[in-house]
Amino acid sequence: QKEVEQNSGPLSVPEGAIASLNCTYSDRGSQSFFWYRQYSGKSPELIMFIYSNGDKEDGRFTAQLNKASQYVSLLIRDSQPSDSATYLCAVGTGGFKTIFGAGTRLFVKA
Amino acid sequence: DAMVIQNPRYQVTQFGKPVTLSCSQTLNHNVMYWYQQKSSQAPKLLFHYYDKDFNNEADTPDNFQSRRPNTSFCFLDIRSPGLGDAAMYLCATSRDVGQGLGSAFFGQGTRLTVV
Repeated sequence: QKEVEQNSGPLSVPEGAIASLNCTYSDRGSQSFFWYRQYSGKSPELIMFIYSNGDKEDGRFTAQLNKASQYVSLLIRDSQPSDSATYLCAVGTGGFKTIFGAGTRLFVKA
Repeated sequence: DAMVIQNPRYQVTQFGKPVTLSCSQTLNHNVMYWYQQKSSQAPKLLFHYYDKDFNNEADTPDNFQSRRPNTSFCFLDIRSPGLGDAAMYLCATSRDVGQGLGSAFFGQGTRLTVV
C-alpha cells in the first residue's frame, strides 16, 4: 500500500514567522511531488510541484525534496493569517496516479 | 477562464437511489480524476482516465462507476449510495506533458449527502 504521511497538526505560528510542513512517502519509485492548499470546505489548489532533489523557491514558498530519505517539505516564509489552511502533500506514483496525504492544518496567528 | 466545473455543488440523495455527478473541463487536459474526500481525511483516488484509458483503483467499490464520453466531460455514477458514501467528491484534471506534469486542477467539488 503506497502511503503519504503528514503530521495532522495543528501547526500554529505567529504572523511573519516561517512555517515548516513535512511529508514522507513510502514508494521509493515516486517521481513527482506536489503541495496543495485547501481552505475549509473548498477544493485543493496547487501551490508548488518539485521533481528533483533540492530546493525550489516560488515567492514565499520553498519546496524541498530528498528522495533518498523519501521526504518532502514546504516552507512558508513571512506567514500571513491568509495562509491558515490545510496543506496537502501529494506524490505521483507513476502513470499519472497521485496519492494524497491527509494534510497538516496550519494556523497563523495575527 | 479555463477551468474545471462540477455539478451540482450540493447533492442530496436517498439511500440506495442512483446518483450521477458531473464534471467538465475547458483545459483540454487528457487526464481526469475522481477523488472522494471525507472530513479531515486525504482525498482518496477512486479512478482516473488518461484520454479514454480507464484506470480503476483496486479498492474502489463496484458501487462506483465512471464514464468519459469525450475529453471535456466525465461522470461519476454511484449505483446504490450508502450512508458511508457521504463525502465531498472532487474532479480534477492534469496535463500529461511539459512543466507541471501531473499537477492537478480541481473543480469546486460536489458535497454528497445520503439520507
